[in-house]
Parts: sequence; C-alpha cells; structure tokens
Amino acid sequence: SAVISQKPSRDICQRGTSLTIQCQVDSQVTMMFWYRQQPGQSLTLIATANQGSEATYESGFVIDKFPISRPNLTFSTLTVSNMSPEDSSIYLCSGTSVNTEAFFGQGTRLTVV
Amino acid sequence: AQSVTQLGSHVSVSEGALVLLRCNYSSSVPPYLFWYVQYPNQGLQLLLKYTTGATLVKGINGFEAEFKKSETSFHLTKPSAHMSDAAEYFCAVTGLAGGTSYGKLTFGQGTILTVHP
Repeated sequence: SAVISQKPSRDICQRGTSLTIQCQVDSQVTMMFWYRQQPGQSLTLIATANQGSEATYESGFVIDKFPISRPNLTFSTLTVSNMSPEDSSIYLCSGTSVNTEAFFGQGTRLTVV
Repeated sequence: AQSVTQLGSHVSVSEGALVLLRCNYSSSVPPYLFWYVQYPNQGLQLLLKYTTGATLVKGINGFEAEFKKSETSFHLTKPSAHMSDAAEYFCAVTGLAGGTSYGKLTFGQGTILTVHP
C-alpha cells in the first residue's frame, strides 16, 4: 500500500505563531484528508484537501484558521494559524484512492505554549 | 449522518485471554466499517474492514470482527491476547458506498487495550 511521509513529527510553538504540516505520498491518491486528534479524544475530520481547488471544511473548521493546499495528487499541507494552547493536538493526514481504504501519515504532535 | 460508539474507553486483559472491543454504529446508508490500531507515537494502521459480502471479516495480527446489521454492531475480537496487542483501537464508519469515499471517516472515541502478563 501507499506510504505517507508527514512532517514535522512534533513541534513546540509559541502562541500567536503558525505551523505548516506537510504530507507527501509515494504515489498518486485521489483524495487526501486532514484530521485532528485532541488529547484523550478521537479523530475529527478537519477538511478534505481538493487537488487544485479550495479545501472542503467540516463544521467548526474554517479556512482562515486551517488553510490547506494540495497542488498535486501526491502532496498536501495544513497550516495551523495564530495558534493558541487549545490547538495542541495530533494532526494526521490520510489518503485514499478509488475503492481503497484510507491510510495515514505518522501524525504531527503539536504543543502550543 | 454517521456516528460510532465504542463501549469502554479502557479494556484490560491478561495475556492469552480473549480480547473483545465493542463498537456500535449509526448510519442512514449501508455502512462501510473499519477497525484501526494506533501504537504510541504512531499513525493509524488498518486492522480490518467490512464493505459487503461475508459478515465475518478477518484482519491482521489474528483479529476479526463480525458485522451484525440487526444489532448495528461491529465488535473486534481476538482469541488470545499478546503483549504486543497493547495499543489504542478505533472503530470507524463511512456512509458512502465505495468510490473515493473511504477516507472520509467518522471515528469512535477509541479503546485503550492493556495486556497484563
């Protein structure tokens, strides 16, 4: 199956700053998604990263806070903007293609201080 | 809309004992169901999936799950626990049949499995 390389694996950031997380897939995938896993909680879908167009955000998530890019079929970025301690979470990207189950990157563990 | 409920945030078993992790789902369309495992500081790894066909599905590492439509359940089992099974397990559902929709998942709250010697 395809492999997603996600980086950074972890970071500690100052409040008010922004962090960009990158995911690189070793083969083309049809769809890519970004999830958030808050401490002690399950995964929540942030958005679907659409290739060459604006991402589709789930309820409660907005583009100004979580801008997403997907310039091609193998790469996507998520930016966490103007961070606060409440943004401390694990962020995961996933990819899928037609009739294949989702596979995930290793996750980015973000701590905002 | 879909939802997933995992009964028990923590399950503890002895090595060699039966593992049973419970998952109930709600979906307005025929569900596709998944179990993922997350080891510490790692991403999610697919254990098994149900799409259509046989309701008893077998996955990696000796795990299996049975889709019971009448009970809206998809419980995960393993006959004999191993120390290496200690991890967090997530049940997930997607309500869109096939195509490119596998990735848009709704997850349960997760169950942390502890295995005692």
